Amino acid sequence: AQSVTQLDSQVPVFEEAPVELRCNYSSSVSVYLFWYVQYPNQGLQLLLKYLSGSTLVKGINGFEAEFNKSQTSFHLRKPSVHISDTAEYFCAVSDHGGATNKLIFGTGTLLAVQP
Amino acid sequence: NAGVTQTPKFQVLKTGQSMTLQCAQDMNHNSMYWYRQDPGMGLRLIYYSASEGTTDKGEVPNGYNVSRLNKREFSLRLESAAPSQTSVYFCASSEEGGLTEAFFGQGTRLTVV
Repeated sequence: AQSVTQLDSQVPVFEEAPVELRCNYSSSVSVYLFWYVQYPNQGLQLLLKYLSGSTLVKGINGFEAEFNKSQTSFHLRKPSVHISDTAEYFCAVSDHGGATNKLIFGTGTLLAVQP
Repeated sequence: NAGVTQTPKFQVLKTGQSMTLQCAQDMNHNSMYWYRQDPGMGLRLIYYSASEGTTDKGEVPNGYNVSRLNKREFSLRLESAAPSQTSVYFCASSEEGGLTEAFFGQGTRLTVV
């Protein structure tokens, strides 16, 4: 079964600084990878996804992520954060070698952008 | 379009009471999910339905049942609520399982006292 690990529960950063949110996954088969964002008191929305092809994936709001198969990682990055990026970020994985494709989430990383 | 609609938004139950959380999507998606979100534990999959007529257990199915009533609707039932089921519940749908983007409802905040 697949699983996702987000080691950082909280990442404080100053406005306009770069940020990296870490995500590692495990799976016995090939995977699809996603990053979702949750703003306070809202549901989740998709930031970006990796299905195949280029390992560098660009998403909304200036975020990007890089798929690294050898390190089983899918870290999220942004070169310059804004106050409005304060939210919780979830990495998710689904396997496309199994009988069904369920979506499994990590525990989330709270990005706290300070002025 | 409404997307994914969950009802109710808030609910307080007494231990042992039962209730059903409703979820409907208007995007003609095949797959639907129920998650619970607890502090420090992220979203954990309770049940999912890959397509109409099928349901399967997720990571934390104990104490819950589901019904995929039709392609649009996927309900979650708590037969005998326990304080451990106090959580925020999210319904989601996607066109094709974990292959495509999942769209989430606004959540149901459930408190069991």
